[in-house]
Amino acid sequence: GESVGLHLPTLSVQEGDNSIINCAYSNSASDYFIWYKQESGKGPQFIIDIRSNMDKRQGQRVTVLLNKTVKHLSLQIAATQPGDSAVYFCAASNTGNQFYFGTGTSLTVIP
Amino acid sequence: EAQVTQNPRYLITVTGKKLTVTCSQNMNHEYMSWYRQDPGLGLRQIYYSMNVEVTDKGDVPEGYKVSRKEKRNFPLILESPSPNQTSLYFCASSLFAGGTEAFFGQGTRLTVV
Repeated sequence: GESVGLHLPTLSVQEGDNSIINCAYSNSASDYFIWYKQESGKGPQFIIDIRSNMDKRQGQRVTVLLNKTVKHLSLQIAATQPGDSAVYFCAASNTGNQFYFGTGTSLTVIP
Repeated sequence: EAQVTQNPRYLITVTGKKLTVTCSQNMNHEYMSWYRQDPGLGLRQIYYSMNVEVTDKGDVPEGYKVSRKEKRNFPLILESPSPNQTSLYFCASSLFAGGTEAFFGQGTRLTVV
């Protein structure tokens, strides 16, 4: 199986600052990782993914970093905005069909 | 509009009364999956389906059944619900297994009394 954990259950940042959310996984065979955002009362929304043959991937205002040596990944959000306030989950998979999720980090953006 | 639709959104039922939560996607996705979300435990995978008539157990399949007779539908069946199945349930789909963007439904909040 797999065990996925996030380092901080809550995170508060000032509007305009960068946010970093961390995640650790246990199974070295995991080769596909996804970050999701979940707003209150809604289903998770895909943000960005990364495969184990990469160590960095960038999207619009978001960057995911993968360190396979220490089994750690992080989500960086640039210039955090109030609309970024949500719970963020990482998920890991070693088969592409079974996914293991972390418990989530609640991000609060302070105006 | 591309979407995953779950019904019902809210359900209160009694122990032992069979129920079905429906899930439908309009994106012609091959892969579909069910999750439950509980405080402090995050999302846990119940069952998944790689394609029509192909289903497999996730991490917490006990007490649940699924079927995939058509590509667009993936119902979750609780034959004899128990209070420990009180949870928030999500259905998700993606183009195929192997890692692609997953789309989630809005969730079904189930309470078993």
